[in-house]
Amino acid sequence: KAGVTQTPRYLIKTRGQQVTLSCSPISGHRSVSWYQQTPGQGLQFLFEYFSETQRNKGNFPGRFSGRQFSNSRSEMNVSTLELGDSALYLCASSAIGAEPQHFGDGTRLSIL
Amino acid sequence: AQTVTQSQPEMSVQEAETVTLSCTYDTSESDYYLFWYKQPPSRQMILVIRQEAYKQQNATENRFSVNFQKAAKSFSLKISDSQLGDAAMYFCAFSNDYKLSFGAGTTVTVRA
Repeated sequence: KAGVTQTPRYLIKTRGQQVTLSCSPISGHRSVSWYQQTPGQGLQFLFEYFSETQRNKGNFPGRFSGRQFSNSRSEMNVSTLELGDSALYLCASSAIGAEPQHFGDGTRLSIL
Repeated sequence: AQTVTQSQPEMSVQEAETVTLSCTYDTSESDYYLFWYKQPPSRQMILVIRQEAYKQQNATENRFSVNFQKAAKSFSLKISDSQLGDAAMYFCAFSNDYKLSFGAGTTVTVRA
């Protein structure tokens, strides 16, 4: 069974731009979560989707948004990029939001 | 809000010996899951072991075992017979309400 797939693996943007990251969960998994990982703040929860509905959201500004499609694939969008948005963005999926969560390889986003 | 504390930023262990990583958490919930994840330099988060809070029996997965003390809110990980491939960052995570809260991580170095 294929794992969680995140695209792209690397991304370089400049301040003020926007970016969209994609995540395809493990087949049959309906819950998708997003996390931001930085050296300073560690791993922080962004949001979780299940059957196209956001069930939980972390403490991030409104520039961070996400959505989930009917096939469970998910995207997250960051608008008006700031230098502090440079991070590894990890996506995780699970069967019903129960545990455990399985992670993808992440997207490394660098803001210049 | 749940907080997870890993008080050991770094641990070093000789190959074939045992190392124990500590983790404490704070919650008012009674039903939750706890996990240890491993993140090697390749950056993919890999599930090591899970523990359901309602289970008194400590979880074991091959060379990995936990000491779960619910009253003390403590969840330590023991790696026995350490191997070079165990070298990684280890994260303790608390799960409820469809999200994971992570500790700051412990870097494990294995000496040959």
